[in-house]
Amino acid sequence: GAGVSQSPSNKVTEKGKDVELRCDPISGHTALYWYRQRLGQGLEFLIYFQGNSAPDKSGLPSDRFSAERTGESVSTLTIQRTQQEDSAVYLCASSGRGQGAYEQYFGPGTRLTVT
Amino acid sequence: SQQGEEDPQALSIQEGENATMNCSYKTSINNLQWYRQNSGRGLVHLILIRSNEREKHSGRLRVTLDTSKKSSSLLITASRAADTASYFCATDRLGNAGNMLTFGGGTRLMVKP
Repeated sequence: GAGVSQSPSNKVTEKGKDVELRCDPISGHTALYWYRQRLGQGLEFLIYFQGNSAPDKSGLPSDRFSAERTGESVSTLTIQRTQQEDSAVYLCASSGRGQGAYEQYFGPGTRLTVT
Repeated sequence: SQQGEEDPQALSIQEGENATMNCSYKTSINNLQWYRQNSGRGLVHLILIRSNEREKHSGRLRVTLDTSKKSSSLLITASRAADTASYFCATDRLGNAGNMLTFGGGTRLMVKP
């Protein structure tokens, strides 16, 4: 596709429910990243996928958060038993192949509101 | 904790003035990037400067990097109302096997018409 897409763009859910957020990276990009951004704050790294390597999950805030990626394509971020503090914009980004300095291309984000 | 920290957190200027934002970081880096974000949604890459570069230009943007001070600055010249956005620096740590970036907290720039 032309860019990184994310769905849904907005999600309102009740506390305690599970949510699944989707990211479609740019075709051919091997690296995929998930970030969380609370209102008025910077980006908080969550998880990083690079090709077929084991993902770097060091940024996941709790075991309620998990993410999967099929090969070099779509990724889903799942938040179980959502809490109000999970309310944020969840941003996905992808970048090109190999080591070195590559810019990240961001999707428009999913705004999650937990009521 | 955030690798990069922007300064100031917020900046308000008149159209036509220059805007300068600073970023400091803690560990050695491969490169430093600046991103722009409108309305709390996706970020857009602006410019990348490598650790062996000291200055880079792109249109009205000028970025400097001082690795001895672990700091960078982003200068936007002749600002326009459309430059109103949040600006983030991001660092790619030296020796990192992948392309992971660490973002700072951002500078919110408002350009008044």
